[in-house]
Amino acid sequence: QKEVEQNSGPLSVPEGAIASLNCTYSDRGSQSFFWYRQYSGKSPELIMFIYSNGDKEDGRFTAQLNKASQYVSLLIRDSQPSDSATYLCADRSKDSNYQLIWGAGTKLIIKP
Amino acid sequence: DGGITQSPKYLFRKEGQNVTLSCEQNLNHDAMYWYRQDPGQGLRLIYYSQIVNDFQKGDIAEGYSVSREKKESFPLTVTSAQKNPTAFYLCASSRTGLGYTFGSGTRLTVV
Repeated sequence: QKEVEQNSGPLSVPEGAIASLNCTYSDRGSQSFFWYRQYSGKSPELIMFIYSNGDKEDGRFTAQLNKASQYVSLLIRDSQPSDSATYLCADRSKDSNYQLIWGAGTKLIIKP
Repeated sequence: DGGITQSPKYLFRKEGQNVTLSCEQNLNHDAMYWYRQDPGQGLRLIYYSQIVNDFQKGDIAEGYSVSREKKESFPLTVTSAQKNPTAFYLCASSRTGLGYTFGSGTRLTVV
């Protein structure tokens, strides 16, 4: 059973600080990784994806992938109260017929 | 604008009743998915379809049924066999190898 693990939180971060969200995955065959943000009562929206080892930056967001350690993270710089949401990590593996395998999500709270 | 539309936004079901949730996309995506989300929980896969006229059960298919007669449409029926259907239902679509695009969801409540 392929799994994606996330700490459910809540993770509380002061406004303006860096929020660090982590995710581990069990399938060494996983090829791509996705971070979604879900506000309470709303549907998930894609914020970042990463295929290669290393860092990928998009504005205040940086995704980091370490395939050797089977670890993917999302950093949010200059955290804002509007970043308060649940962040879902997902991976796509050939073994799962290219479907996304979802983590349960980490709830992030940015305190003003 | 391309997107994925779910309707209705809110749905109330009486005991023993079947209800159908609509999902339509104009993104020309091949694959479509139905998820259930309970409060404070993650996404659980109900059914998915990768091509027209074909679909597969997900992790929690019991009490649900789907059809995929058109590429654009993937309706979900919640049958009376589903004993605890109150949840937030999310439809998604994707092109092979890419991330999913979600609809805005349907909140189903048993009355």
